[in-house]
Amino acid sequence: DVKVTQSSRYLVKRTGEKVFLECVQDMDHENMFWYRQDPGLGLRLIYFSYDVKMKEKGDIPEGYSVSREKKERFSLILESASTNQTSMYLCASSAGGRNQPQHFGDGTRLSIL
Amino acid sequence: AQKITQTQPGMFVQEKEAVTLDCTYDTSDPSYGLFWYKQPSSGEMIFLIYQGSYDQQNATEGRYSLNFQKARKSANLVISASQLGDSAMYFCAMREGNTGGFKTIFGAGTRLFVKA
Repeated sequence: DVKVTQSSRYLVKRTGEKVFLECVQDMDHENMFWYRQDPGLGLRLIYFSYDVKMKEKGDIPEGYSVSREKKERFSLILESASTNQTSMYLCASSAGGRNQPQHFGDGTRLSIL
Repeated sequence: AQKITQTQPGMFVQEKEAVTLDCTYDTSDPSYGLFWYKQPSSGEMIFLIYQGSYDQQNATEGRYSLNFQKARKSANLVISASQLGDSAMYFCAMREGNTGGFKTIFGAGTRLFVKA
């Protein structure tokens, strides 16, 4: 089974802090994704990556950056955390190909105080 | 820009009955894929079914089927013989792109309640 592991299940940080969310997948997937999930808004795509060191902006990239130095790891960075970034963050990976489903991690519930 | 719309925030269905969850999409790419995922209260995302834009037949997976109407840009999920365990959030998603990765976006979701 594909395993997508997010480093923290719950995280509490303060405004202005630099926050790192880590995601690791063990199936050699080309594609990796970061979403945030908010009630009534569904999953909104922040960034995705289709190869090492390659990244593409999603629909809500402002205030975030990403890093993919190794194929199995995709990091989401909040450069200066703000309270409106309090949310559930989901990482996903998928194999190449338009018909390949995404495999999701358990999510990180991030609270910015 | 691509967009996914799920107009039903919540739905109720009686156990053992069929239910249709609506999904409409908008894209200018002729080549795309459509997915449905289930998210139970435990939080994990479970892949249910896939439909490609060039597929001639509607996709089916067990009790799940996809009513794909390309001209209307709709991809509704049909769950037959609902079970109590089907109570969950359901998300429609679309993936487009040919090179350089596949951007995948989701709708706002529909919460399904199955009544005993």
